[in-house]
Amino acid sequence: NAGVTQTPKFRVLKTGQSMTLLCAQDMNHEYMYWYRQDPGMGLRLIHYSVGEGTTAKGEVPDGYNVSRLKKQNFLLGLESAAPSQTSVYFCASREHGTGQETQYFGPGTRLLVL
Amino acid sequence: SQQGEEDPQALSIQEGENATMNCSYKTSINNLQWYRQNSGRGLVHLILIRSNEREKHSGRLRVTLDTSKKSSSLLITASRAADTASYFCATDASSGSRLTFGEGTQLTVNP
Repeated sequence: NAGVTQTPKFRVLKTGQSMTLLCAQDMNHEYMYWYRQDPGMGLRLIHYSVGEGTTAKGEVPDGYNVSRLKKQNFLLGLESAAPSQTSVYFCASREHGTGQETQYFGPGTRLLVL
Repeated sequence: SQQGEEDPQALSIQEGENATMNCSYKTSINNLQWYRQNSGRGLVHLILIRSNEREKHSGRLRVTLDTSKKSSSLLITASRAADTASYFCATDASSGSRLTFGEGTQLTVNP
């Protein structure tokens, strides 16, 4: 199993450009998450999904949109990138239910917005 | 705002010593988890302790939870240089499904 994969690994954008980050998992997990991590800080939840076709806002959703059209994929979109969105983005997934609370993380996408 | 706050922010020890990291949180929880992050990599789950548990062990890891004080500690015994990483606590509150992460402790184990 590849686990959780993220593409791209690194991207440079100019202010105002748009892009989509792709997260894919092959573990048939119900729940998927997008986090951002800024220097010296922990992870902050952007959006998450508890199943195919559903999405919900996390702690810092402004400036981002998400879609979960297929169970194995969770897309994070930036419609008009801003320098404040320079960060490392992590995707995670987990199964639902008690006893399945562990989240499995991808390797991250480094985004630089100039 | 971050649910968890970790202490210390950075810890430097010699190989073979024990490392203790602390985590405090604000609201009631279902469980508390510890994750490890090597530089430039994703997070890896270490251990989970439920709100009705007080102590849990996994290999060289020992986690305690005091729900009355809303705090947890992670002890790594007989540390190795390979334990050098950032360690994060994450709380799963009553709403379920979501984790809230602390800011992490950067552990350096010197050979």
